[in-house]
Amino acid sequence: SQELEQSPQSLIVQEGKNLTINCTSSKTLYGLYWYKQKYGEGLIFLMMLQKGGEEKSHEKITAKLDEKKQQSSLHITASQPSHAGIYLCGADEGGSQGNLIFGKGTKLSVKP
Amino acid sequence: GAVVSQHPSRVICKSGTSVKIECRSLDFQATTMFWYRQFPKKSLMLMATSNEGSKATYEQGVEKDKFLINHASLTLSTLTVTSAHPEDSSFYICSARDWGFRDTYEQYFGPGTRLTVT
Repeated sequence: SQELEQSPQSLIVQEGKNLTINCTSSKTLYGLYWYKQKYGEGLIFLMMLQKGGEEKSHEKITAKLDEKKQQSSLHITASQPSHAGIYLCGADEGGSQGNLIFGKGTKLSVKP
Repeated sequence: GAVVSQHPSRVICKSGTSVKIECRSLDFQATTMFWYRQFPKKSLMLMATSNEGSKATYEQGVEKDKFLINHASLTLSTLTVTSAHPEDSSFYICSARDWGFRDTYEQYFGPGTRLTVT
């Protein structure tokens, strides 16, 4: 079955710094989702990528999917304390039901 | 975007009792809903796929008699944890796919339910 590896597992950055989180799949991705989660809370949808080479941005967050559709990166520019949380990548396995599998998450802390 | 609600958001129950968690799609019809469980420092794990009007499909290792899933309508799926034990304490999240927008592959998540079994 498909597996998603996220790196790093945790990250501490100074406010204002840029950072990148990676998500690598063992198989071709049909759809790649990025979510943000505060501890003990639900998932906040950030972005969804489908096409190889696709790049999407929302405010200071940019997500990219490589041409082979096996790796995605999430880049945050000029990080702020509000960016702190757990970032999860999820992938559509391409099955008929449409469930997602998830990476283990990256815990981001932003020091003011 | 579409909204999925869960109720309750938090529940504490005694060992041996049963707890029901509801998942509702508020502004769209969801023929398929998914139930995930999140373990500390681990990822979300799919427990089962809930299909309206039919039996749920459980993932390997998930006890179907312990985690009862009912998808009685196009907007409601319920997860009942029967004879709960402390090891069932976890964060349960449901999601629903809006098949009206199939091409966008969008999936909407509920806010989650924190279950604590004492």
